[in-house]
Parts: sequence; C-alpha cells; structure tokens
Amino acid sequence: DAGVTQSPTHLIKTRGQQVTLRCSPKSGHDTVSWYQQALGQGPQFIFQYYEEEERQRGNFPDRFSGHQFPNYSSELNVNALLLGDSALYLCASSLYGGSGYTFGSGTRLTVV
Amino acid sequence: AQTVTQSQPEMSVQEAETVTLSCTYDTSENNYYLFWYKQPPSRQMILVIRQEAYKQQNATENRFSVNFQKAAKSFSLKISDSQLGDTAMYFCAFMKPETGANNLFFGTGTRLTVIP
Repeated sequence: DAGVTQSPTHLIKTRGQQVTLRCSPKSGHDTVSWYQQALGQGPQFIFQYYEEEERQRGNFPDRFSGHQFPNYSSELNVNALLLGDSALYLCASSLYGGSGYTFGSGTRLTVV
Repeated sequence: AQTVTQSQPEMSVQEAETVTLSCTYDTSENNYYLFWYKQPPSRQMILVIRQEAYKQQNATENRFSVNFQKAAKSFSLKISDSQLGDTAMYFCAFMKPETGANNLFFGTGTRLTVIP
C-alpha cells in the first residue's frame, strides 16, 4: 500500500522563476495539506485542500497557490521565487476532519 | 494562536538508557490533540505517539511514553531502552480539532543522538 508520494525529491530554481510540486495521497485519504520546513525549523502549515477546494490557509503570501484534482492528488505552486523560499516542502494526507496524518518524504527546493 | 516550544535543540543518550524530551505549548482551547513526530534523515515525518487532551491517562507506545500535564501545558516524551534507530529530529505538535480542516502547529524540534 503506497503511502504519500511526492515529486520531485530535489529541485533547484532561479530567483523569480515559478515551481510546481506534486503529491499523491495515501490510498483512502481525501485531504491534502502542505507544509514548509525551513532548515533547522519545524514545519509550517501552508494550506489544506479537500474536495478540490482550499479549506484552510496559513500565513503565506498569494505567491503560494495550490490545486487538488478529482483523484485527490495535489499540486503546490510557488510564483516569483525568493531565496527565502528555499526549504523542504512536505505533503501530508488525511481524512477530512481527522487527526491522522501521513507525511511524504518531501521535496527539497533550493532557490539560487 | 497556538505556539509550541521545544527548549532543547540537541540531546544525546547512551544506547539502552532513557531520555526525556521536553515540550510546552500555549493555547486557550480545552479540547485538542498533541503529537510527537520523528523525522529521520529520510525526511519523512513519522508519528511516534499521540495524546488527546480530554484523556487523563498518559499515552504509551512500546518504548515511548508521554507525561501530559494539562494545567502546566507540558507534554514531554520519554524514550526507554534507547536504540540507535531512535537517532532523529523529534518534533512536538499541537492540533485543535475543528469541523473540517485541521492543521498541525510544530515546535522547532530536538535533535536526538543515540550513542553506541
């Protein structure tokens, strides 16, 4: 049984570019959440998607946007990349309203 | 806003010994969940143990147990019989259950090294 799958595992982008990260949730889960983990910090909540809609959002600018597809997979898009966007981006899936998260291994984004 | 504080950036323990990681949190809520997650070099967050605030009994999972002090807003993790595979970052996290979307608030983590 596949857990949460994220792609790519590593990515290097230039400041000002745009990036798309992808996540496939654990089988049976319908909700996807995205977290940003800067080096040496704990993860911070970006947003959560359920039924293809953003249901909750953390304190992140509009440059961060997302999408959820009918098969529950999700994308995180970041526009106009800044050096400070360099981080590990973690995807977590769950059942809507549940407390049981399953995390992926993340995408390491480096902005140069 | 909920805040989670882990005051020990790094800790070490001898193999087979016991170690306790500290966590405090701040909330005005009465009903919530607390978690300890482990993040090894593989980067995946792995759930270690979970505590529901309305339960007075401390949660236990094999070698892992917690000391939940609700009035003091303290939630420490005790690892008994430490093993080399316990070497990892450990994060304390808080969740306030809401109708629908729930999200986790994490502390800054404690890096635990188990010494052979």
